[in-house]
Amino acid sequence: DTGVSQDPRHKITKRGQNVTFRCDPISEHNRLYWYRQTLGQGPEFLTYFQNEAQLEKSRLLSDRFSAERPKGSFSTLEIQRTEQGDSAMYLCASSHGVRGNEQFFGPGTRLTVL
Amino acid sequence: GQQLNQSPQSMFIQEGEDVSMNCTSSSIFNTWLWYKQDPGEGPVLLIALYKAGELTSNGRLTAQFGITRKDSFLNISASIPSDVGIYFCAGQSFYSGGGADGLTFGKGTHLIIQP
Repeated sequence: DTGVSQDPRHKITKRGQNVTFRCDPISEHNRLYWYRQTLGQGPEFLTYFQNEAQLEKSRLLSDRFSAERPKGSFSTLEIQRTEQGDSAMYLCASSHGVRGNEQFFGPGTRLTVL
Repeated sequence: GQQLNQSPQSMFIQEGEDVSMNCTSSSIFNTWLWYKQDPGEGPVLLIALYKAGELTSNGRLTAQFGITRKDSFLNISASIPSDVGIYFCAGQSFYSGGGADGLTFGKGTHLIIQP
């Protein structure tokens, strides 16, 4: 298996701009998760997909955030009207679900909002 | 919400020493996971635990799922320089529909090894 991949690895944007990140999970993994990690903290859960269905959203996921997984494979996370507080590492993870619930993480996208 | 208390926050040890760290929760978890994270990278899964009381090893690493299901421990034996990094515990709950909640992470234990 190739691992979870994320693109881009780094993104610098100005406050008020929209950004979109992509995650490609491990093939055959039907569960996909998004997390946010700020400096000195552990990752915090944002949202979760089983195949194409978004099953759970954290209260951290404000209405400026939207995630999709249209064909049950890759996923995108969009942040509209970015704020400086959105600066963080955005991590994607996937798990098989049937064969186990261990979550495998991608390398993350580091977002800096100026 | 669920919170995990991970300790110690940081450890300064000599190469070759054994390391112990733990994680406690106010809630019960069905799964405990331990990850290691290097700077600028995503967390890498080390060990997964599924049953209360379970003891699992992965090379020099050993982890245990606490009997109360509210805690977990990670031990590293004979530390080497590449063990440097941040170690995170994570707990996961499952709901009756068969799905799984997102992971709840501790704040991490920063391991620093002095040669």
